[in-house]
Amino acid sequence: GQNIDQPTEMTATEGAIVQINCTYQTSGFNGLFWYQQHAGEAPTFLSYNVLDGLEEKGRFSSFLSRSKGYSYLLLKELQMKDSASYLCAARDSNYQLIWGAGTKLIIKP
Amino acid sequence: ETGVTQTPRHLVMGMTNKKSLKCEQHLGHNAMYWYKQSAKKPLELMFVYNFKEQTENNSVPSRFSPECPNSSHLFLHLHTLQPEDSALYLCASSQDEGQPSYEQYFGPGTRLTVT
Repeated sequence: GQNIDQPTEMTATEGAIVQINCTYQTSGFNGLFWYQQHAGEAPTFLSYNVLDGLEEKGRFSSFLSRSKGYSYLLLKELQMKDSASYLCAARDSNYQLIWGAGTKLIIKP
Repeated sequence: ETGVTQTPRHLVMGMTNKKSLKCEQHLGHNAMYWYKQSAKKPLELMFVYNFKEQTENNSVPSRFSPECPNSSHLFLHLHTLQPEDSALYLCASSQDEGQPSYEQYFGPGTRLTVT
């Protein structure tokens, strides 16, 4: 079966760095997405990786290893507004998005 | 604002009621999606429309009925729902289904409670 695993909840301190991991098992692979979802709001797109390596976008970076079926989202210089759920989703060979259950990130002062 | 609006934002309905959820996108996209989001569970894709044609129906019970009159509007008609249908219903749109890199833009969702 197809599956995405990511931690349910993580806690980090304001100003610090946090890494949210995601492992995937899909039938074929056509890229991996990260979305951010604040409580009561719409998920918003953060990143898309289809090739191995690290992509940086300001304070957020996303990494992909296709051979390991693994990705992570790296958040630097954490701010209180980064408290949210982070959703990992992989696209399979049929272009279907397989979603993880999300990681709730709690930022403490 | 993501360019995707949903109404109503909250809905409480009895099991015998009929109601409809509405979604509108102002992004010029050709694909629209309905998802169900339950606490601590992955997003469940329900329906997909691409260029107004339904391309996906993920074994959704018939008490959920989608309608896509044009590329900008999507409805989800609800009737004789069950308490386990209580969830956040999210609408999304994307340029189309054909490119794997196209991200989806989500609306804020309708929080549905079935009593």
